[in-house]
Amino acid sequence: ETGVTQSPTHLIKTRGQQVTLRCSSQSGHNTVSWYQQALGQGPQFIFQYYREEENGRGNFPPRFSGLQFPNYSSELNVNALELDDSALYLCASRSTGGVYEQYFGPGTRLTVT
Amino acid sequence: AQSVTQLGSHVSVSEGALVLLRCNYSSSVPPYLFWYVQYPNQGLQLLLKYTTGATLVKGINGFEAEFKKSETSFHLTKPSAHMSDAAEYFCAVSAHSGGGADGLTFGKGTHLIIQP
Repeated sequence: ETGVTQSPTHLIKTRGQQVTLRCSSQSGHNTVSWYQQALGQGPQFIFQYYREEENGRGNFPPRFSGLQFPNYSSELNVNALELDDSALYLCASRSTGGVYEQYFGPGTRLTVT
Repeated sequence: AQSVTQLGSHVSVSEGALVLLRCNYSSSVPPYLFWYVQYPNQGLQLLLKYTTGATLVKGINGFEAEFKKSETSFHLTKPSAHMSDAAEYFCAVSAHSGGGADGLTFGKGTHLIIQP
């Protein structure tokens, strides 16, 4: 069984640029969530996708957007990058219904200079 | 709305000693509670979860936690610390069993240091 994978591992961008991060969900999982983890902090919920639609969002501005594809892979897009966007971005997948845990990927470390 | 407070950003224990990591939560609905561990440069791994039923929950690697509604607490314990337990530990709460559409709300984390 393949776990949650994310790419790239590390990324360096300049303020004002746009970035796309990718996530491949664990087999059989149809829901994906994205989290931002700033240095020394706990992860913060960005949004969740189910059946290719965003069905939940945390306190993040619209320049954070996402996509979920029919194969349940996902993208996180961030426009107009700011220095404070520097963080570890975690993707988590799960199945809906019942009591199911979220499975996290290793994350993408984004540095904005 | 939910929130999580983890008391102590750093906890240091000797190898073989009891590990106690504290977590208090706030939730407007019956909570689902989780403990995750994060090793350096890795993602999060679920240690254990409380949903309903038995309030003492056993997890992986010898960890357990007890849900105390009256104290709004979900402290994590392990009877005997091992060097491999050194990591960052996060307590999280959700109004839904798997995180729901609102996601998981995490505490700021506790860095566990094991002294030889």
